[in-house]
Amino acid sequence: DADVTQTPRNRITKTGKRIMLECSQTKGHDRMYWYRQDPGLGLQLIYYSFDVKDINKGEISDGYSVSRQAQAKFSLSLESAIPNQTALYFCATSEPGEGQPQHFGDGTRLSIL
Amino acid sequence: AQSVSQHNHHVILSEAASLELGCNYSYGGTVNLFWYVQYPGQHLQLLLKYFSGDPLVKGIKGFEAEFIKSKFSFNLRKPSVQWSDTAEYFCAVIGNTDKLIFGTGTRLQVFP
Repeated sequence: DADVTQTPRNRITKTGKRIMLECSQTKGHDRMYWYRQDPGLGLQLIYYSFDVKDINKGEISDGYSVSRQAQAKFSLSLESAIPNQTALYFCATSEPGEGQPQHFGDGTRLSIL
Repeated sequence: AQSVSQHNHHVILSEAASLELGCNYSYGGTVNLFWYVQYPGQHLQLLLKYFSGDPLVKGIKGFEAEFIKSKFSFNLRKPSVQWSDTAEYFCAVIGNTDKLIFGTGTRLQVFP
């Protein structure tokens, strides 16, 4: 079983719809992250959470919101989806401390029509 | 603001050729540096990391990277690439913000 699980893996929806992407982890990590990946732009940080009560905006948080329901769960919402939010979305986790790498889920490919 | 530059956007090599992918970062303090690889259709996986000690870091699958503080660089190398190394490679840095900043990635294609 994957340590970091994202659902759904693929989603196609229409402009204006509300969408929620789920992420759950079995690694026991306190820190969780949401990124979007666009061709030629690498990964950009949307939101991150260092523990259940700590939520922070990343580089590109406009149009997104998150909820950290538990240590193991971190969901990303698009309240009213728009076409330029079409991208590949990744969730990641890490432990605190120097040099700790992030562990990524398999991604959610989201298309907004 | 911290940033990471990967100047090679697309690299094409034949099998057995040597590889060097450039990575430069813009933060002058203590940094943690990473290289991640993303094989087609898969998630990012850690290749190697540097946070202290020997500036020459060895990772999985024969990759290595050298941290040169004076040049703000952390270039990735492999002496002899294989077709299975075809993937996208991302350099990333953590400086004083505790956030991982990624470069834009380098797409590597290796032909048999």
